[in-house]
Amino acid sequence: DTEVTQTPKHLVMGMTNKKSLKCEQHMGHRAMYWYKQKAKKPPELMFVYSYEKLSINESVPSRFSPECPNSSLLNLHLHALQPEDSALYLCASSQGDYTDTQYFGPGTRLTVL
Amino acid sequence: GQQVMQIPQYQHVQEGEDFTTYCNSSTTLSNIQWYKQRPGGHPVFLIQLVKSGEVKKQKRLTFQFGEAKKNSSLHITATQTTDVGTYFCAGIPYGGATNKLIFGTGTLLAVQP
Repeated sequence: DTEVTQTPKHLVMGMTNKKSLKCEQHMGHRAMYWYKQKAKKPPELMFVYSYEKLSINESVPSRFSPECPNSSLLNLHLHALQPEDSALYLCASSQGDYTDTQYFGPGTRLTVL
Repeated sequence: GQQVMQIPQYQHVQEGEDFTTYCNSSTTLSNIQWYKQRPGGHPVFLIQLVKSGEVKKQKRLTFQFGEAKKNSSLHITATQTTDVGTYFCAGIPYGGATNKLIFGTGTLLAVQP
């Protein structure tokens, strides 16, 4: 099973809402990632969790809050977002670290009104 | 900062024609990975190159890693409509302040039947 699942597929939220994105993998991977992708642009790394510990935060605003409850799950909590945060949010996982193949989930398309 | 540029940004070919995208890094890379993202989809891993001068083939796709490990190319022979999508290279800089996968700017391939 080389699948990374993400829910929801689509999310529309207001600037005062609180919502969460979820990501799950059952490949035994120990590194998990959040990326943000704007239209016609490459994915931009936001966070990396390695062995359930946050190892990289790419200076992401605090309105994005990641959480790794266990080795299979990764959440991204959203609060007080801005319209410019509208994008495709991709979760990925890899065996050990970022030198390994990254398997991407289908993404959550987020629209902030 | 570290940058990975791809050219061309966009290529439109007739089905059956060949296609090449070039990836150039401002710094030496420890490895290079290639991903394909179909329209509306998510990045899917194609291949990883590690050694200087390495060449790998996957059916109609040929991947090269430059001798200086700062550039790479993907060549598709006799394109098919199923090849449509954006092709991203992604590399890990040697000895940088942050050891993370940096995506190239991408090349969008359109194939006309």
